Parts: sequence; C-alpha cells; structure tokens
Amino acid sequence: QVQLVQSEAEVKKPGASVKVSCKASGYTFTDYNLHWVRQAPGQGLEWMGWINPHSGGTYYAQKFRGRVTMTGDTSISTAYMELSRLRSDDTAVYFCARIVVVVPETPGWFDTWGQGTLVTVSS
Amino acid sequence: SYVLTQPPSVSVAPGQTATITCGGSNIGSKSVHWFQQKAGQAPVLVVYDDSDRPSGIPERFSGSNSGNTATLTISRVEAGDEADYYCQVWDSSSDHWVFGDGTKLTVL
Repeated sequence: QVQLVQSEAEVKKPGASVKVSCKASGYTFTDYNLHWVRQAPGQGLEWMGWINPHSGGTYYAQKFRGRVTMTGDTSISTAYMELSRLRSDDTAVYFCARIVVVVPETPGWFDTWGQGTLVTVSS
Repeated sequence: SYVLTQPPSVSVAPGQTATITCGGSNIGSKSVHWFQQKAGQAPVLVVYDDSDRPSGIPERFSGSNSGNTATLTISRVEAGDEADYYCQVWDSSSDHWVFGDGTKLTVL
C-alpha cells in the first residue's frame, strides 16, 4: 500500500537548520509531487510548498521562500525538506503529503500523508 | 490571499447529523477537499472535489459546495468521528494551497 514514512523528531537551537526526510513506498516515487505542510502546537495546517521528484522542480509558499529547500533522491524514493535559520515559532509537526492529479492542469488532492515529524526549536 | 472560514467547534449527539461549514469568496467555483485529523495523528482525506469519497471512507461522510459555502456532513455520528476537520482549496490567484482554521467536532 502507498506509504510515506518520515524521520524521527528533532530538537534544534535557534538559528540552526533542520532536514526532515519522507520515504515513499507502494508507488512510483517520480509519478507524484510531494507537498510539505506544518502544524504548530494546537494550531491549524499550514502549506509550505512542493517538489516534483521527477524533475526536481520546486515551488515554495511565499512565507518560506529564502529559508526552505525541498529536494529528492530518486534512488531511495525519499524527499527532504530543509528549513534554515530556525526560530522558536518554527516549532511544529512537519508532514509530507502526496498529491494526486487525475485530470491534467487541475490542482488535485492530498491523498496520503506521512506520520509527521516534530521539530522543536529551543535554546 | 484567499481566506477560508470555519466554525471553531461543532457538537452533536451520537446518531445525529453533524454539519461543518467552510466559507470563502465564491468558493463554489473551486474544488474543496476535507480532512479529518484525530489527536496526535496525521490528517486523513475524507472528501475530495467537493463531494467524492476516497475508498474506505464511510458513506456517512458527504460534501457539497455552492456559492460562498462548502459543507461537510457527517450522518449518524459515532464517537470515533470526534476529531478536527479542515477544509482546503487551491487558490489559483496566489498559486498557494489554503486550509481553513479547522473545526473541532465533539460527540456528546
């Protein structure tokens, strides 16, 4: 079955960087874009951007441009999200999610999510 | 940027019908997706493209979308339906995905 398995929780100091991984299985990794969404404690969902694992193309939400980098390694079917210059308000659970597009040129929908990775930023 | 408005909370007795709304400017022209998120878990897609259900989602979950309001309806509510529910749309004007703030469903 389709599955996304993320890396373990991380604790980082302000100003540091964190890199979260998302390993895909049960489907062809390069056939679907992967998105990243975060959720601060007790808060809602916030979309961060996406990567096309086939081309390596990316698109980042305006809020995160300049601080986020999304990459992929097709040899191990794994996507990565790196966030730099961490602040305390970056403390959140970070999710990867696969997007399904059935009709070309339509937005599609997020059908499968990773289990989430808690990133804690604290001095 | 596009804003989606959900009620913070909805309460319903077991066996009754829960209605969760998602308001947005001319949202009827967009495709709305709904996610269920139980405490400590990842979101799960329960309705996509306004009213379609993924495989494995009970028929008790249904959706509609018209004008400025999209609606998720849960019929014959069960204790296991207690969760946060989020609506989501693609905002083509900003090329951003947008989520509502979420609605906490409490089963009395």
